[in-house]
Amino acid sequence: KQEVTQIPAALSVPEGENLVLNCSFTDSAIYNLQWFRQDPGKGLTSLLLIQSSQREQTSGRLNASLDKSSGRSTLYIAASQPGDSATYLCAVSEGSGNTGKLIFGQGTTLQVKP
Amino acid sequence: KAGVTQTPRYLIKTRGQQVTLSCSPISGHRSVSWYQQTPGQGLQFLFEYFSETQRNKGNFPGRFSGRQFSNSRSEMNVSTLELGDSALYLCASSPRVPELFFGEGSRLTVL
Repeated sequence: KQEVTQIPAALSVPEGENLVLNCSFTDSAIYNLQWFRQDPGKGLTSLLLIQSSQREQTSGRLNASLDKSSGRSTLYIAASQPGDSATYLCAVSEGSGNTGKLIFGQGTTLQVKP
Repeated sequence: KAGVTQTPRYLIKTRGQQVTLSCSPISGHRSVSWYQQTPGQGLQFLFEYFSETQRNKGNFPGRFSGRQFSNSRSEMNVSTLELGDSALYLCASSPRVPELFFGEGSRLTVL
């Protein structure tokens, strides 16, 4: 059974710092991995999607990497800003990937202090 | 383009009652997925519908059910509510899985 773990559960950094969020999964037979952002009381917003054949994806100040063999992904946030404060979740899809069924980690709650 | 709309946003029910939640997907999206989010269990997949057919189902008891209409709008129903059903229920629509667009959720409190 696939399990997704995110470490740390919470993180507080000063503005401007570069930071890394970690995600690990127990079964490397994933189809893809996504990183989402969730603001308090809100839904999820997709940040980056990495197909299993890819190693990384970049969007602005965000860079996500994927190492299927070790069952790990990282989300790198450059030059953090207070507006980056949110909970970040990673999720994997299995099988053919032709599904809306994702398996989520518990998330890392990030606070960026001005 | 309007986003995913979930109604109601907040509701309070008592144990034993039933509840119906509604989700209107983004126009043109034919796939709708439902998730339950709780502090203890995190986000858990409930079910997925595509063209009015349930394509996937999570590991939830039969009290949880759903359906999708011809206009892609979806509803989920929880019968015989329990305290543990208190959660944020999130709906996501998709133009092509696994690209998901989430609504803001329906927060259910069971007393």
